Amino acid sequence: GAGVSQSPSNKVTEKGKDVELRCDPISGHTALYWYRQSLGQGLEFLIYFQGNSAPDKSGLPSDRFSAERTGGSVSTLTIQRTQQEDSAVYLCASSLAHPGHGTEAFFGQGTRLTVV
Amino acid sequence: AQKVTQAQTEISVVEKEDVTLDCVYETRDTTYYLFWYKQPPSGELVFLIRRNSFDEQNEISGRYSWNFQKSTSSFNFTITASQVVDSAVYFCALSPYNQGGKLIFGQGTELSVKP
Repeated sequence: GAGVSQSPSNKVTEKGKDVELRCDPISGHTALYWYRQSLGQGLEFLIYFQGNSAPDKSGLPSDRFSAERTGGSVSTLTIQRTQQEDSAVYLCASSLAHPGHGTEAFFGQGTRLTVV
Repeated sequence: AQKVTQAQTEISVVEKEDVTLDCVYETRDTTYYLFWYKQPPSGELVFLIRRNSFDEQNEISGRYSWNFQKSTSSFNFTITASQVVDSAVYFCALSPYNQGGKLIFGQGTELSVKP
């Protein structure tokens, strides 16, 4: 597609349920990132993929959070046993290389997750 | 420690005023990139500019200009003759060369331009 696509755009879930958030990066982009944006916390890095491997998972807040990427393309972020503090906007970004080498990252519109 | 500080949480100006958004960063890396992103109400982060740590030239793009000063670890962004469409949250971000490409964001500055 023309840009980074995320689905769903909004998700309301009950506390304790599992959720899956999907990201379709720009075709050909090898680097993919997940960030979380919440009130008072700003934009937090969660995980980075280069191809299908995740060399940096340091931002995942707990073992309830996991992510995978298949075919060097689509990525899924899974949150198990959701808690109210997981409520946030989850943003996905992709880039040709990585921003530390000067490549801009393109962001999706995010998935707004609300845990009730 | 790697950190980006945007001390101004909110700024409100009247259309046609000039406004400067401050960004101060901390890193021990000698090679890094700095970025500015704009987040309009629609939510999607839009890339504005990147600057590498070895290039301290200021840059101007239309009404936007950026001032990078390594001596003060600052990368400030100025909008000249602001317009209502400039209203958004602006984020400054740091990406060190050897940190796997993650962007370290400041807390953002919410700019409101009133007619």
